[in-house]
Amino acid sequence: RKEVEQDPGPFNVPEGATVAFNCTYSNSASQSFFWYRQDCRKEPKLLMSVYSSGNEDGRFTAQLNRASQYISLLIRDSKLSDSATYLCVVTGGGNKLTFGTGTQLKVEL
Amino acid sequence: EAGVAQSPRYKIIEKRQSVAFWCNPISGHATLYWYQQILGQGPKLLIQFQNNGVVDDSQLPKDRFSAERLKGVDSTLKIQPAKLEDSAVYLCASSLVQGNSPLHFGNGTRLTVT
Repeated sequence: RKEVEQDPGPFNVPEGATVAFNCTYSNSASQSFFWYRQDCRKEPKLLMSVYSSGNEDGRFTAQLNRASQYISLLIRDSKLSDSATYLCVVTGGGNKLTFGTGTQLKVEL
Repeated sequence: EAGVAQSPRYKIIEKRQSVAFWCNPISGHATLYWYQQILGQGPKLLIQFQNNGVVDDSQLPKDRFSAERLKGVDSTLKIQPAKLEDSAVYLCASSLVQGNSPLHFGNGTRLTVT
């Protein structure tokens, strides 16, 4: 089993839709979780950290489910500008940060 | 605050040649990472430094890749000799605290090996 797994997509959604991505991780001792956004031919940029109690930042909501070992990202009222690849990042042994392969989102008119 | 600086932005070399990439992290960031990102994949950690010491280089192909961070600030990543499969974007990132704080990435170096 891979350390961090994501559905690669692409997820094609109409503008205004709500879309959710999941990311599963294998190391039950993982402590820190993040979502990064990567635009085409650009470097990844931090979207949000994921806290145990769940957290929200505008249209974006991140949640952690330790029992099932996954994190999720929910995007409400999708905008064209949300089109990007969303990478989940999980800390593993030795505080090593491991990236998933990314989920591609395409928001269409 | 100045971001992570990387150079060059692009590099094209022939297989079996050597190449070096440079990275200057954000001032005060003790942890520095080199990632390799092949098209369509997520970034893969090559090496992680804490100050000038190596924390993790388990996925670094040591027969051809080397990296150093002699003074605990700038870092260089070298490939010698390059193979076709080394074509990728090489991303440098830094963080304030090891593991639990977000990464800040440079623009990356896009390497093409022909």
